[in-house]
Amino acid sequence: EAGVTQFPSHSVIEKGQTVTLRCDPISGHDNLYWYRRVMGKEIKFLLHFVKESKQDESGMPNNRFLAERTGGTYSTLKVQPAELEDSGVYFCASSRITGREAFFGQGTRLTVV
Amino acid sequence: AQSVSQHNHHVILSEAASLELGCNYSYGGTVNLFWYVQYPGQHLQLLLKYFSGDPLVKGIKGFEAEFIKSKFSFNLRKPSVQWSDTAEYFCAVNNRDYGGSQGNLIFGKGTKLSVKP
Repeated sequence: EAGVTQFPSHSVIEKGQTVTLRCDPISGHDNLYWYRRVMGKEIKFLLHFVKESKQDESGMPNNRFLAERTGGTYSTLKVQPAELEDSGVYFCASSRITGREAFFGQGTRLTVV
Repeated sequence: AQSVSQHNHHVILSEAASLELGCNYSYGGTVNLFWYVQYPGQHLQLLLKYFSGDPLVKGIKGFEAEFIKSKFSFNLRKPSVQWSDTAEYFCAVNNRDYGGSQGNLIFGKGTKLSVKP
């Protein structure tokens, strides 16, 4: 069974540019989560999808971040325009609808210069 | 607000030494507790979890953790570490009342473990 896959693994962009991160969850996992770790800080929850619906987006930092999950499969997280403080590692995780364990991807390291 | 504290930022041990990583959480309700590990260049993976029942939980690779409700603690232990245990360890908590799924995890800042061969 393939794990959670994230693309790209690294991204370096200039301040003001747009970046789109992608997450492919494990097949059959309706729950999909985005987390972010800013350097030196804890991993923080951003949002939670159940299928294509946003269940909880309380962790989204501001309206420069837009997450989508069309068709309830893969998800994208767009940052537009990127700011320096957006640098960090973005993790995606997925779980079954009744599952109590979330499986994480390797993360996307985003550097905004 | 819920929070998780991991007491050690970086722990350095020699092989065969015993390990204990501290984790305390602040939340008055019913929680699920987790320890995740991230080996260099790899994804976060679950070491062990506690939902209910026996407060002493055994996980993969010889790790165990003990839930002490009165102390709001979930410390991770291993009697004898190996060089391959070098990694970053994260304690996490979530509110069991969050629907039927794992929900929003609250993580600690992580503890880097370096094991000298």
